[in-house]
Order: sequence, then C-alpha cells, then structure tokens
Amino acid sequence: KNEVEQSPQNLTAQEGEFITINCSYSVGISALHWLQQHPGGGIVSLFMLSSGKKKHGRLIATINIQEKHSSLHITASHPRDSAVYICAVRFTGNQFYFGTGTSLTVIP
Amino acid sequence: DSGVTQTPKHLITATGQRVTLRCSPRSGDLSVYWYQQSLDQGLQFLIQYYNGEERAKGNILERFSAQQFPDLHSELNLSSLELGDSALYFCASSVRGSLETQYFGPGTRLLVL
Repeated sequence: KNEVEQSPQNLTAQEGEFITINCSYSVGISALHWLQQHPGGGIVSLFMLSSGKKKHGRLIATINIQEKHSSLHITASHPRDSAVYICAVRFTGNQFYFGTGTSLTVIP
Repeated sequence: DSGVTQTPKHLITATGQRVTLRCSPRSGDLSVYWYQQSLDQGLQFLIQYYNGEERAKGNILERFSAQQFPDLHSELNLSSLELGDSALYFCASSVRGSLETQYFGPGTRLLVL
C-alpha cells in the first residue's frame, strides 16, 4: 500500500529557530516534492528530490532513499514562513500521494 | 505568479449539475496535472496529461473526465455533482512531466449546494 506519513502535524516556533519537518513513505519512489501552501490557499513547489540534498536560501531538503525518509529544514525561521508544508511522493507507478501537511506558525 | 492560470476562481452550483474547470499551463510546459483538495481528504492527485495524451491516472471518479487540447490547455469536467465534490481544484504544469518541478495555478474553489 502506498502511504506517506508526515510529522509533526502542527508546529509553533519562535522567530529564528531551526525547524525540521519529516516525511516517510512506504515503497519505492521516483521523486519527492515539498510544497508550501499559504493561508490564502496558493501552492508553491519548494523542492523536487530524487536523491541527496537541495538548498534554496534558508530552506534545505534531504532525502534518504534507503530509509524512505525526507526532511525539510528551515534555518533562522521567520513569521513569513508560516504556512502549511506538504510532502508529495511520486511512486514508481506514476501515482502521486500526499502527506497530511504540517501547519507551521512562526511567532515574532 | 506561477504563470499557470485557472478559471473560474470560484464556482457555486447545485447537486446533479455539470461544470467545466479550465487550466492554461505556463508557456512551454507540455504536462498538466489536476489535483483535488478537500477538507476531509486533503490533496489528491486526479490525472496527468502530457502533450495531449493521458500520462497517469489517480483517484479520479468516473463522473469526472479531463482532456488536454492541441494548444495544451486542459479542462476538467465534473458531472452529476455531489455535495462531497465541494473542494479546491488545482491545476499544475511542468515542462516534460517527469522528475521536475510543478508550477501550481491559483485553484478553482467549487461549492456544491
């Protein structure tokens, strides 16, 4: 069964804190995406990973294919990072499955 | 602005009706994806098209259908609407349709009364 587990569900942090969001999946994948959904509903793709690590500004995403696990890190968090972060996995059968999302609130 | 456009932004209709949602991908993108986001089920993948052909199919109901036209815009048709079809419908596009970033449209909010 294809499953995507994301944790934590909710996260509150003080401005400046280092944040980690985790995503685990059950079977082989071709790609993993990290998405950001703003309070207004718009979705932005942050990263697409098939191996290793990617960095963009204060955001870092890693994936461990053997352990079937990915993490999204936010360094020096800021209130504008407040959003829902969603892990999306493309399984080798070309199906996409989504985690339930992590709602992040960064307090000034 | 992702460059992906969706119309309409909002749609209110009644049970049993049929609606069509439209998506125009970014210039140069050949692949279009449709997703449904509801409060109880979260984000779900519906279907993907690449250059007019169906590439992958997800949890798309038989009452729903989609197509991608020669000019690469796509339409999602929802028929015999039920209350549970109320959701945000997102379209996304990418260049080739495999192992690459997707660009999301602003979504169409459908309310079935």
